[in-house]
Amino acid sequence: IAGITQAPTSQILAAGRRMTLRCTQDMRHNAMYWYRQDLGLGLRLIHYSNTAGTTGKGEVPDGYSVSRANTDDFPLTLASAVPSQTSVYFCASSDSGLAGDEQFFGPGTRLTVL
Amino acid sequence: GQNIDQPTEMTATEGAIVQINCTYQTSGFNGLFWYQQHAGEAPTFLSYNVLDGLEEKGRFSSFLSRSKGYSYLLLKELQMKDSASYLCAVRDGDYKLSFGAGTTVTVRA
Repeated sequence: IAGITQAPTSQILAAGRRMTLRCTQDMRHNAMYWYRQDLGLGLRLIHYSNTAGTTGKGEVPDGYSVSRANTDDFPLTLASAVPSQTSVYFCASSDSGLAGDEQFFGPGTRLTVL
Repeated sequence: GQNIDQPTEMTATEGAIVQINCTYQTSGFNGLFWYQQHAGEAPTFLSYNVLDGLEEKGRFSSFLSRSKGYSYLLLKELQMKDSASYLCAVRDGDYKLSFGAGTTVTVRA
């Protein structure tokens, strides 16, 4: 059982380039999330999806877009990367996104934008 | 926005007890989570509180007081492997999870 996988593990990217971070889960969870984690700031929600076909904006959505074409996949796209998007990105999923559902996290993608 | 505060760092001796406090001010409340995160790894779930009181799970316990906007995570019989960051997270009225910056616990022999 893989749980949640993310790709790539790490990436160095030139500013202005387009980049898609991939996230796949095999738990048939309805809800999926993208966070970024920066030193001293903790995890901040970028975008989320409560079910396939729907998405919503989190706390820091600017410069990022997502899609949820099916239950398993939730890619995060940086249309034109900027150095302030250097961070560790975590994808997570939960059964329904409600009440006491815990979120399961992927291993993370370390992104450096130069 | 949401405001979740927890200490930045704590140090304790192997075998001892450490209490990590978390205070929060959020728009609505639908539960409080504690996660453990080892350096370079993903956060993993430790506990969930939605009603006032203490939840015990082995060496770890978590307490919640909704009226005070306060929680703590209690780690007993500390082991070296408990050295990690501990994240307090609150599910708000829209069911979104907001995280504190995390408390780094260092366990010394």
